[in-house]
Order: sequence, then C-alpha cells, then structure tokens
Amino acid sequence: QVQLVQSGAEVKKPGASVKVSCEASGYTFTSYGITWVRQAPGQGLEWMGWISAYNGDTIYTQKFQGRVTLTTDTSTSTAYMDLRSLRSDDTAVYYCARKPQERAFDIWGQGTMVTVSS
Amino acid sequence: EIVLTQSPGTLSLSPGERATLSCRASQSVSSSYLAWYQQKPGQAPRLLIYGASSRATGISDRFSGSGSGTDFTLTISRLEPEDIAVYYCQQYGSSPHSFGQGTNLEIK
Repeated sequence: QVQLVQSGAEVKKPGASVKVSCEASGYTFTSYGITWVRQAPGQGLEWMGWISAYNGDTIYTQKFQGRVTLTTDTSTSTAYMDLRSLRSDDTAVYYCARKPQERAFDIWGQGTMVTVSS
Repeated sequence: EIVLTQSPGTLSLSPGERATLSCRASQSVSSSYLAWYQQKPGQAPRLLIYGASSRATGISDRFSGSGSGTDFTLTISRLEPEDIAVYYCQQYGSSPHSFGQGTNLEIK
C-alpha cells in the first residue's frame, strides 16, 4: 500500500543539526512532491517547505529559509529534511506528506519527534 | 501570506447532531485550493477534503466541504464518537501553504 515511513525519534542539543528521513513505497516516487510540516507540543500545524521528487525543485517558508534543506534520493525513494542550528523551540513532531500536483497532502508519514534540550 | 482563521475554537455536540466548522481566509484562496484535515490524538493528520468540496479517498459521505473565495465550511452530519478530533483547514494555492489554528471537536 501507499505509505511514508519516517525515521525514529531524535534528541539533540541546542546548536546541533538533525536529519529526518521519509521513505516512500507503493507509488512512483518521482511523480509527486514531498512536503514537510511540524507540530510543536500542544500546538497546531506549521508548513515548512516542499520538494519535487521529479527534479529537486524546492520551496521553503521564509521562517526556515537558510536553516532547513530538503533533499531526495530517487534511488531509494527517500526524502530528507535537514534542520540546522537547533533551538529549544524547534522541539516538535516533524511530518512528511505526499503532495500531488495541484492537490492537497494526501498521504502522511507517522511523524518523527525531535527534542532539543541541553 | 494568507492567514486562515477557524471558528469556533472548540465545538461540543452530541452524537447524531450536525457540526459546522468555519475557515475564513485573509485573502482569496486561488482556485479553491482549500483542504480540511482531521487529526486525532497521537496520530498524523488525515486528508478529508481537497479543492474545497472534493472528498478524499475512503472518506465517509458524512463529511462535506463548501465555499469559495475567502469563506469555507466543513460540515459533519450525524456526529459519531469517532469524530472526536482537531480539524484544520489549509490553503495550498500560494506559498506558504498555511494552516488554520484548528477547531477542537468534542462529543458530549
């Protein structure tokens, strides 16, 4: 079946970096984009950015510009979200989701908890 | 950036009643690129409605979406206990693809 499986929980110190993976299966990876959304504890959803799995084009929300990098590896159908210079307010669950062209986010990963603490 | 404002913040209804959730955009949402998601505690969001009124695959016909421009509505008919969740609207017509702050649906 169509699914996105994310890497496991991470604990990082302030100033460090984290890289979360999102492995796709059950569909043609390069026919869709992958988007990333985060959710701080008890808070709402926050869109971070999008990457085309076809050609690697990216769009980042201004808040994360310069601190986040989205990439894909088409040989393994895996997307990655790399977030640098971590702060305590980056503590959140990070989700990847599939983004069909001109459609909403139809398939979601299970989420990856990233905790930033000294 | 398009800001989405959802109302009410919390909605408490009895099983069998109809729920009406509102989402208002700060500017027109292009091509009705408006979606609704359901998120249950400890779970990832699930797509319910896209294109303002199209149900996603496998979604019950108790869920319906309507609206255009800046005003959108999610209606849940005949509430069931399993509908307890937070509901988010989202626009994906322009970047950033912003979300509303959510409506918490409680079942009495």
